[in-house]
Amino acid sequence: GNSVTQMEGPVTLSEEAFLTINCTYTATGYPSLFWYVQYPGEGLQLLLKATKADDKGSNKGFEATYRKETTSFHLEKGSVQVSDSAVYFCALPLGGGGADGLTFGKGTHLIIQP
Amino acid sequence: DVKVTQSSRYLVKRTGEKVFLECVQDMDHENMFWYRQDPGLGLRLIYFSYDVKMKEKGDIPEGYSVSREKKERFSLILESASTNQTSMYLCASSLQRRTSILYNEQFFGPGTRLTVL
Repeated sequence: GNSVTQMEGPVTLSEEAFLTINCTYTATGYPSLFWYVQYPGEGLQLLLKATKADDKGSNKGFEATYRKETTSFHLEKGSVQVSDSAVYFCALPLGGGGADGLTFGKGTHLIIQP
Repeated sequence: DVKVTQSSRYLVKRTGEKVFLECVQDMDHENMFWYRQDPGLGLRLIYFSYDVKMKEKGDIPEGYSVSREKKERFSLILESASTNQTSMYLCASSLQRRTSILYNEQFFGPGTRLTVL
């Protein structure tokens, strides 16, 4: 099946800093790729996705580009805010016989200081 | 908007009790999933279901069972709760239709934080 590796945190940044959270994957074919975000005390919600190679997903100032050459889907934001403090998960379909499930990275805890 | 609801946000149970966690989705999704989330371990899939009365084991099914009697409802059952089942439990649902732009995208409930004493 497919698998994903993302940098583990916590990652602590000052407000307005540039953010990169690395995500690399191993997959058969070219599956869709996802970033989910979990704010404190809540469930996960989709942040952005890309469905094919070279696609760029974007939302709320965050971006990620589907790079098949480097099998990566790094999350970036040019200027973070305190409200971006959350846990971020990279994910892709399980693949193989795993029906329609997703496999998730372990999550990166992002802390933004004023 | 897709809505996935879970019966409780917080639950406290005693060792040996039978525990039911309920999840309901209102978007007619075929697939439903139960995960547990623990610090440093991320999300781990317990069980999933792709149709009514159908279920498949995930990565960590031991100590759990599930029930899907109706399409919109997926229940997680802890037959005899133990302290190592203290965790955050997340339910999710998704479409099966591969032509949909939402294919593979999972929608999550708010989670149930279970404490077993």
